[in-house]
Amino acid sequence: AQTVTQSQPEMSVQEAETVTLSCTYDTSESDYYLFWYKQPPSRQMILVIRQEAYKQQNATENRFSVNFQKAAKSFSLKISDSQLGDAAMYFCAYRSGAGKGANSKLTFGKGITLSVRP
Amino acid sequence: DGGITQSPKYLFRKEGQNVTLSCEQNLNHDAMYWYRQDPGQGLRLIYYSQIVNDFQKGDIAEGYSVSREKKESFPLTVTSAQKNPTAFYLCASSRKIAGPWPDTQYFGPGTRLTVL
Repeated sequence: AQTVTQSQPEMSVQEAETVTLSCTYDTSESDYYLFWYKQPPSRQMILVIRQEAYKQQNATENRFSVNFQKAAKSFSLKISDSQLGDAAMYFCAYRSGAGKGANSKLTFGKGITLSVRP
Repeated sequence: DGGITQSPKYLFRKEGQNVTLSCEQNLNHDAMYWYRQDPGQGLRLIYYSQIVNDFQKGDIAEGYSVSREKKESFPLTVTSAQKNPTAFYLCASSRKIAGPWPDTQYFGPGTRLTVL
């Protein structure tokens, strides 16, 4: 079974600075997808960014980018120019790329709470 | 507006009662999911459905039941058999469940269930 580990329960960043959130995962599969979701105080899960394992190029979405290290099974999220609205809980998630049914589920880490200091 | 709606936002249940959480989507998505979130935990899959009139158990299905009579709707019933139902429940949907693309799951705003 796949597992996702977010070892840092909390992080803090100064507004306008850069912060990196760590995520590692364990899998025996070669084809899979990785996601970062944001959960603000409203508690709705919002997709931040996603990465296909077969792509070597790291995904980027505006101020958000990932550092995907497949061999190390690491998938960190970098937030540049941090804003107050970035304060939230961030979850790393894994999805198998193979087959149907149960393989479509997302396996989540426990999340990291990010606070942004003005 | 296209999206996923969940109701109610807050729900209180007495012990021994069954309650049903609503999830509706107008995104024309094929697959729908129910997750449970507990404090300090990630989300765990309860049930999922790929097509109408078909659904499968997830990792923690005991004490829950679902139906999928319409593509747009995937209600979750929390039965009295669920020993610790107090949690935050999130519904999600995705365009299709199989294929080479990740078929990203999009989430509703959630329902907070409290057992009194």
